[in-house]
Amino acid sequence: GAVVSQHPSRVICKSGTSVKIECRSLDFQATTMFWYRQFPKQSLMLMATSNEGSKATYEQGVEKDKFLINHASLTLSTLTVTSAHPEDSSFYICSAGEGGPVDTQYFGPGTRLTVL
Amino acid sequence: AQRVTQPEKLLSVFKGAPVELKCNYSYSGSPELFWYVQYSRQRLQLLLRHISRESIKGFTADLNKGETSFHLKKPFAQEEDSAMYYCALSGQSGGSNYKLTFGKGTLLTVNP
Repeated sequence: GAVVSQHPSRVICKSGTSVKIECRSLDFQATTMFWYRQFPKQSLMLMATSNEGSKATYEQGVEKDKFLINHASLTLSTLTVTSAHPEDSSFYICSAGEGGPVDTQYFGPGTRLTVL
Repeated sequence: AQRVTQPEKLLSVFKGAPVELKCNYSYSGSPELFWYVQYSRQRLQLLLRHISRESIKGFTADLNKGETSFHLKKPFAQEEDSAMYYCALSGQSGGSNYKLTFGKGTLLTVNP
């Protein structure tokens, strides 16, 4: 089946620094990638939808200048958390698919971000 | 707006017992519904989707538009079914994009 990888799996950074998380589709081309945030023992909350070659669509309440998304190719999307603060500490998960209504999304393993 | 409700946060059954994980949805259009599962220390993965009308690992789910429900059922639970289960709805998010809206999840524990 389709595989999605994320890198890094875990990152610890100081407050005020920026962190980049990569999401790659390893054996298929993903027209659309999604970025989610998951708090402990809570569900996934969609942050943004990323289409290759165009600007990301952010969900209400998600700061686009804070969470920069780039989807430069059909196999790579990146999420950059800029000027990270402790409240940004969370589990970030990406998924990839073709973006249709019945399309299966394939999920990455997630990245644990801790901001000190 | 689209919304998915899973009323049970935790569900515990004994091995061999029937199990039903409830899911209700709210969506103005024609819904596409999914069940995703997350086993311990593994990534989220698709279990089944209503359009396929298939049974995966003994699980089935029927879309009931009248009751706006998509409950997940299995007649005889196994210990290896213990996991977090998420119901999700695919709906249009603007333009041509579709997005998944997840319920809060139900943690199923199957006891020996």
